[in-house]
Amino acid sequence: DIVMTQSPDSLAVSLGERATINCKSSQSVLYSSNNKNYLAWYQQKPGQPPKLLIYWASTRESGVPDRFSGSGSGTEFTLTISSLQAEDVAVYYCQQYYNTPPITFGGGTKVEIK
Amino acid sequence: EVQLLESGGGLVQPGGSLRLSCAASGFTFSSYAMSWVRQAPGKGLEWVSAISGSGDSTYDADVVKGRFTISRDNAKNTLYLQMNNLRADDTAVYYCAKPRVTITVITVFDHWGQGTLVTVSS
Repeated sequence: DIVMTQSPDSLAVSLGERATINCKSSQSVLYSSNNKNYLAWYQQKPGQPPKLLIYWASTRESGVPDRFSGSGSGTEFTLTISSLQAEDVAVYYCQQYYNTPPITFGGGTKVEIK
Repeated sequence: EVQLLESGGGLVQPGGSLRLSCAASGFTFSSYAMSWVRQAPGKGLEWVSAISGSGDSTYDADVVKGRFTISRDNAKNTLYLQMNNLRADDTAVYYCAKPRVTITVITVFDHWGQGTLVTVSS
């Protein structure tokens, strides 16, 4: 199974500042035949189900604000919130969907306001 | 509008059984593989099971193999999870999740239900 490791576990960022979350996979999730990284990011607010933010490592889901961006390839990925807003307080998860089951998620990163 | 409504959760004793349902609407249910994902209290997300659109193929996490069975009724637009021999560590909110694209079983999820809580305790 592909193990997803996120860091940090939590971070506190001032409003308007940048938040950066990292995700490492235990093996590459880059599919050479189509050059796509099978990596997604979700946001989960308290009491709510997860919301898809980004897939293919860097493609924003429809309706997601452009302050959210994803980058990286192979085994190392980053989710960046360019200017943190109060409504961005949440837990963020990465997920790999490379090849065969199981789908696996990172442990989550809690983002709070400093 | 896509809607996923889970039901069937509750309190069950260790070793007991429970069947969860997920009523889907707002999309062509039979065209999409579907998954169950769970979240233990205060913990992260864990994929549990997936089923193809036709129901012919199923996939399970090792931790539930032989105990949980995923199924679907496309005529009723409903997804199921039969859970047997439940253990305390199965306690979680169980979400049904719809993939972003048709056909593909292992993919990303663009819609999630609100979840149903399963508590395994004596």
